[in-house]
Amino acid sequence: EIVLAQSPGTLSLSPGERATLSCRTSQSVTSNSIAWYQQRPGQAPRLLIFGASSRATGIPDRFSGSGSGTDFTLTISRVGPEDFAVYYCQHYGSAPPITFGQGTRLDIK
Amino acid sequence: QVRLVQSGAEVKKPGSSVKVSCKASGGTFSSYGIAWVRQAPGQGLEWMGQIIPIFGIAKSAQKFQGRVTITADASTSTAYMELNSLRSEDTAVFYCARIARTNWNPKQYDFYGLDVWGQGTSVTVSS
Repeated sequence: EIVLAQSPGTLSLSPGERATLSCRTSQSVTSNSIAWYQQRPGQAPRLLIFGASSRATGIPDRFSGSGSGTDFTLTISRVGPEDFAVYYCQHYGSAPPITFGQGTRLDIK
Repeated sequence: QVRLVQSGAEVKKPGSSVKVSCKASGGTFSSYGIAWVRQAPGQGLEWMGQIIPIFGIAKSAQKFQGRVTITADASTSTAYMELNSLRSEDTAVFYCARIARTNWNPKQYDFYGLDVWGQGTSVTVSS
């Protein structure tokens, strides 16, 4: 089973700053198997990035994804007030098909 | 634009069962899969299982095997998740989500994410 480790656990930033969130997989995976989600309090998760670097429909271009192998990154170029939320990376494969990281909380500094 | 609409909140006794529904509104399941994800209070996301409605093929996480049944009615574009032998630790919000991928060939496909999510169903297990 592939395990996803996200870091940091909590990231405290001011609006306008750059956010860099990391997701490390326990073994090498294909880039097209990695997605990122945003979850605001009291809401369902929302797909941000699929295929490690492709933005989902309607996602602002301040969100970008990158990485390969075992190391993947979600970057928010300039954090907006609405971006303070929890972010999850996710792997899609087999046995099990879907695995999530434990999440990174982006807090207002 | 397809939405996934889930059934309402439930309060259950320990040892009982709960069945949550997830209906596609504004479209059909088509050839998509439906995943079920659990989120305990203050915790992260946990995959429970999934189904491909057009094939009726379901699989579940080892942790829930024997306790969870995932079904779907492709004609009404509705998926169901039933969890049995409820205990207090099952108190959570349960989400359904659409699995977007190009095809169901197990070896060659592109994955486009869990692109549509239901609003969540809160299940409280308490005596």
